[in-house]
Amino acid sequence: GAGVSQSPSNKVTEKGKDVELRCDPISGHTALYWYRQRLGQGLEFLIYFQGNSAPDKSGLPSDRFSAERTGESVSTLTIQRTQQEDSAVYLCASSFLGAGVGFFGQGTRLTVV
Amino acid sequence: SQKIEQNSEALNIQEGKTATLTCNYTNYSPAYLQWYRQDPGRGPVFLLLIRENEKEKRKERLKVTFDTTLKQSLFHITASQPADSATYLCALPPGAGSYQLTFGKGTKLSVIP
Repeated sequence: GAGVSQSPSNKVTEKGKDVELRCDPISGHTALYWYRQRLGQGLEFLIYFQGNSAPDKSGLPSDRFSAERTGESVSTLTIQRTQQEDSAVYLCASSFLGAGVGFFGQGTRLTVV
Repeated sequence: SQKIEQNSEALNIQEGKTATLTCNYTNYSPAYLQWYRQDPGRGPVFLLLIRENEKEKRKERLKVTFDTTLKQSLFHITASQPADSATYLCALPPGAGSYQLTFGKGTKLSVIP
């Protein structure tokens, strides 16, 4: 597509439920990144994909968080047993490998109530 | 520990003046540094990348400098306009060979007509 697409744009979920956030990167971009941005805070790195593998998972805050990427394209970030502190905007970005993070999606605003 | 500091959380400037934003970092030796713009409710948009061997980079009304001795980058917007009002983020790779970026918390710029 023309840009990075994320869905849903907004998600309200009850504490303890699982959620899946989707990212469609720009076609041909080999690198894909997930970041989290809490209200009024900076971007917090979560995970990075090179193709379908994730050489850097260092930012995942707990084992409740996982992510996968298939077909060197779509990625899904899953949060299990959501907690209120998971409330944030989850941003996905893609780029050609080695170019650094260039293109962000609009984000998914997750609210855990 | 590694740290990125952007000089102020908020900066107000009169239309037509030059806005100067500062990004300082410690315990990094980045090969490059990037600047992004973020509008409310949207993902960051890439503006400029400057490499460690470049002192200055320009793009239209934007100018970025990079002083690896001072560990500082300055971001200038000349002839500022109300449409330039946004949060500006600096970002750099956390280590050699790292493909992800660590972001500063940003400076919210308001250009007053």
